[in-house]
Amino acid sequence: DIVMTQSPDSLAASLGERATINCKSSQSVLYGSNNKNYLAWYQQKPGQPPKLLIYWASTRESGVPDRFSGSGSGTDFTLTISSLQAEDVAVYYCQQYFIIPLTFGGGTKVEIK
Amino acid sequence: QVQLQQSGPGLVKPSQTLSLTCAISGDSVSSKSAAWNWIRQSPSRGLEWLGRTSYRSKWYNDYAVSVKSRITINPDTSKNLFSLQLISVTPEDTAVYYCTRSVGYDDYIGYYYSAMDVWGQGTTVTVSS
Repeated sequence: DIVMTQSPDSLAASLGERATINCKSSQSVLYGSNNKNYLAWYQQKPGQPPKLLIYWASTRESGVPDRFSGSGSGTDFTLTISSLQAEDVAVYYCQQYFIIPLTFGGGTKVEIK
Repeated sequence: QVQLQQSGPGLVKPSQTLSLTCAISGDSVSSKSAAWNWIRQSPSRGLEWLGRTSYRSKWYNDYAVSVKSRITINPDTSKNLFSLQLISVTPEDTAVYYCTRSVGYDDYIGYYYSAMDVWGQGTTVTVSS
């Protein structure tokens, strides 16, 4: 199985500040034949299911604010919130869909300082 | 707009069978451009993918090794839904269960799936006597 490791476990930043979450996979999720990274980011607020933010490592889902961006390739990925807003308080998960079993990171809790 | 509506009991006794259904609106369970997944979430195990069903000229099922001997995911084309059955449950199966959709693609490299773009509302299942 591909193990997904996120860091940090939690972070607190001020409103308007940048927040960065890291995700590392135990093996590459880059498929050479189509040059796509099979990596997604989700946001989960209390009492709600996870919501897809980013797929193919850097493609923003429709309707997701452009302050959310994804980057990285191979085994190392980053989710950046460029200007933290109050509504961004949530837990964020990375997930690989390169091979089954599909696996998730442990989550990063984002709070306002 | 695709929506998934989950239903099923919230309490199951140990050794019995957990059964949930996920009704699809706005898409088809037999679409060749989607896979239909079951995920669960618990404090001890985090988000855990359990398995999926998909149709590409015939039905395919993939299951997580951790539950492979106990799980069945079945499509129901007449009702446009898919179901989860997990037999011989224990308190370790207590979790919030979600159904999801993954969009499928068929191009020059073959068939592959993307991330999970639609989620059901979740069902809290407690295994307890």
